[in-house]
Amino acid sequence: EDKVVQSPLSLVVHEGDTVTLNCSYEVTNFRSLLWYKQEKKAPTFLFMLTSSGIEKKSGRLSSILDKKELSSILNITATQTGDSAIYLCAVPRGSQGNLIFGKGTKLSVKP
Amino acid sequence: GAGVSQSPRYKVAKRGQDVALRCDPISGHVSLFWYQQALGQGPEFLTYFQNEAQLDKSGLPSDRFFAERPEGSVSTLKIQRTQQEDSAVYLCASSLWLAVNTGELFFGEGSRLTVL
Repeated sequence: EDKVVQSPLSLVVHEGDTVTLNCSYEVTNFRSLLWYKQEKKAPTFLFMLTSSGIEKKSGRLSSILDKKELSSILNITATQTGDSAIYLCAVPRGSQGNLIFGKGTKLSVKP
Repeated sequence: GAGVSQSPRYKVAKRGQDVALRCDPISGHVSLFWYQQALGQGPEFLTYFQNEAQLDKSGLPSDRFFAERPEGSVSTLKIQRTQQEDSAVYLCASSLWLAVNTGELFFGEGSRLTVL
């Protein structure tokens, strides 16, 4: 059965800390892995990763895929309170791209 | 519209009542997905439309759940005879073409359903 597992499920840090969020997956015909940030209700797209070892970066956020280990990490450096959110990892299944999500990592950044 | 719009944002239903949740996707988006997100869980796939065609409904938990998109734009998710376990946030997402090609789904704010 296709699945996505994220760890940790929750994390509390202080402003300025660096965090690493983990995602592992099992899916038939892997094509890509996606990271979303969910504040309040609507998840918003962060990254799509398709190739191993190539880092995607956006400001203080970066992510990398390891196809050999069937995993990905999301790094956030110099965390800010505005980074507090649930971070979701997902992989598409099927030809239409139906996303299978992990349970998410709830990140809380304290001032 | 500028984004995916869902209504109502909040719905409280008595057990056994029927509910209808509406999704207005981004104009021109071909693909439309419905997800169910229970508290503390990631979103779980319910059903997928490509234009007006419902190509995958494998995630609908029971025959009480029904979705339609008759003109290939607005979609409605209907839940008949609601049960307490139906309480969740129902998220709608759309993409311009096949999401697998771009990876990016645009999500609405969701409809939070509480069944008493």
